[in-house]
Amino acid sequence: QITLKESGPTLVKPTQTLTLTCTFSGFSLSTSGVGVGWIRQPPGKALEWLADISWDDVKHYSPSLENRLTITKDTSKNLVVLTMTNIDPVDTATYYCSKTTLFGSGSHYYFDYWGLGTLVTASS
Amino acid sequence: DVQMTQSPSSVSASVGDRVTITCRASQVIYSWLAWYQHKPGRAPKLLIYGASTLQWGVPSRFSGGRSGTDFTLTISDLQPEDFAIYYCQQANSFPHTFGPGTQVDI
Repeated sequence: QITLKESGPTLVKPTQTLTLTCTFSGFSLSTSGVGVGWIRQPPGKALEWLADISWDDVKHYSPSLENRLTITKDTSKNLVVLTMTNIDPVDTATYYCSKTTLFGSGSHYYFDYWGLGTLVTASS
Repeated sequence: DVQMTQSPSSVSASVGDRVTITCRASQVIYSWLAWYQHKPGRAPKLLIYGASTLQWGVPSRFSGGRSGTDFTLTISDLQPEDFAIYYCQQANSFPHTFGPGTQVDI
């Protein structure tokens, strides 16, 4: 059974750094074609893809947030960490992590299992 | 970025109805499209990928189609557990982008 769970602070002050952890089970990030991605959804708004990391440590970032995001993995501990610097109230959202399965190369993957998400509020 | 639009934004239907949701991409994405179902308090669920391939375990009343840059998700014989929000997502190029969602209500 594949499960993912997001964890991190529920409240972050503007200008601070947000660190979110995705802990997963049922798959390995050392398996070829497997990755983990992060997606967020501000209240009442659309889903927004943030970043991903693959089994071979290739990383991709949303161009609009690239200078604020860092994604890393710890394969032995089955976790992926996303950090976002210089938090702003517009970053208030539910943050999801998801397992990805690659079809071919590059962007050709889908989010086949998701966590429940964690709501992060950016406010002073 | 590839812009994804969906129509309708919401639809009211009854159990047993056939519902079709449309997603349009702003540029060619070939068949690199997925559909997700999201219920409140639940993890989003992948229903269809590659525009028309059913994810394993998903009931066959769900189907996907493609015509150029227009994509459809059809739910035939709507069941009570199908009332949810449905999103499309393109996987042809970075950044991945999602449609705004379609709410299927009773």
